[in-house]
Amino acid sequence: KNEVEQSPQNLTAQEGEFITINCSYSVGISALHWLQQHPGGGIVSLFMLSSGKKKHGRLIATINIQEKHSSLHITASHPRDSAVYICAVSTGNQFYFGTGTSLTVIP
Amino acid sequence: DAEITQSPRHKITETGRQVTLACHQTWNHNNMFWYRQDLGHGLRLIHYSYGVQDTNKGEVSDGYSVSRSNTEDLPLTLESAASSQTSVYFCASSGGLAGKNIQYFGAGTRLSVL
Repeated sequence: KNEVEQSPQNLTAQEGEFITINCSYSVGISALHWLQQHPGGGIVSLFMLSSGKKKHGRLIATINIQEKHSSLHITASHPRDSAVYICAVSTGNQFYFGTGTSLTVIP
Repeated sequence: DAEITQSPRHKITETGRQVTLACHQTWNHNNMFWYRQDLGHGLRLIHYSYGVQDTNKGEVSDGYSVSRSNTEDLPLTLESAASSQTSVYFCASSGGLAGKNIQYFGAGTRLSVL
């Protein structure tokens, strides 16, 4: 069983739509991370959070520690948001990664 | 600007050969990590280091080794490359407490073992 589960695995949206990607985890965590991997392969960190909510531009990340669940929201989606979004949790000095959600935003 | 670089970006090798993948960071981070990424799996930790002369095995360390002789570099060596080690390899670094800080990733090395 994976420590981190993401849903959906694949997501196609029309430009302008509101998008939600979900992440559930099964271990106690120090922090939860959302990463973005573009088609070229590079990985960048979007958010690190241990409680509540964070916002950066059109991206919003929330976490519910009691339910061991996090969501990544994208408002007013744009084709340049097309990427793989990866949820990861850190526990002590270990990192566990989900398999990613592949998002395609169609103009 | 600080950065983390991996080389080579692409490598083709033969079964049984020794291969070394380089990772160099200028963030002055104590923590460095090597991951592999395969279809159907999330990033999986191979080895990690919390400082000079410190190395630790990760989830999938068999067949791999690392050494940390300075802060900037953590080379990953495949002692005798196997086809099962065909993968994309990512190096990452972070500062402070590893579990409480974001990681900065290199661009990846695509390795094919024939």
